[in-house]
Amino acid sequence: QKEVEQNSGPLSVPEGAIASLNCTYSDRGSQSFFWYRQYSGKSPELIMSIYSNGDKEDGRFTAQLNKASQYVSLLIRDSQPSDSATYLCAAWPYSSASKIIFGSGTRLSIRP
Amino acid sequence: EPEVTQTPSHQVTQMGQEVILRCVPISNHLYFYWYRQILGQKVEFLVSFYNNEISEKSEIFDDQFSVERPDGSNFTLKIRSTKLEDSAMYFCASKSTAQETQYFGPGTRLLVL
Repeated sequence: QKEVEQNSGPLSVPEGAIASLNCTYSDRGSQSFFWYRQYSGKSPELIMSIYSNGDKEDGRFTAQLNKASQYVSLLIRDSQPSDSATYLCAAWPYSSASKIIFGSGTRLSIRP
Repeated sequence: EPEVTQTPSHQVTQMGQEVILRCVPISNHLYFYWYRQILGQKVEFLVSFYNNEISEKSEIFDDQFSVERPDGSNFTLKIRSTKLEDSAMYFCASKSTAQETQYFGPGTRLLVL
């Protein structure tokens, strides 16, 4: 069974601090990884994608991938109240038509 | 910016009734997906569709479910005889051939009474 595991939280971080979200995956064949943000009652919205080992930065967001450890993380710098949401880690295997496998999400709360 | 659209946004139905959920994927995308999310649970894959046929389906996607691309723009999910446990948010997603990213529509909230 291919799984993506996340700590459900809630993770509470003060405004302006760095939020660190972590994820592990079981399928070594997974090629691409995504972080989606989901506000309550809304659809997943893509934040970052990462395909290669190392770091990828986009504004306040940095995704990190370590395929040897089967580990993906997302750092959010200068956290804002609008960052409060559930963050979904997702893995995509090898085939173009394949499904995304989602983790259960980490609920992030940014406190003023 | 192009986006996936879904209708209706909310649907309430009686158990045993048929429902059709509609999606308009992003226009140049060729891969289409349905996912669902039961309240408080993870997003679950239902089915993927490419080149006018189902590419992959999950064990959730039983004989009560079907998908169709009736014309060049719409992609539909039909549930033939709804059950209480079908109550969930249903998301359509689409993907181009050039990228791995799937883009999600706003969802249809289905409530089966």
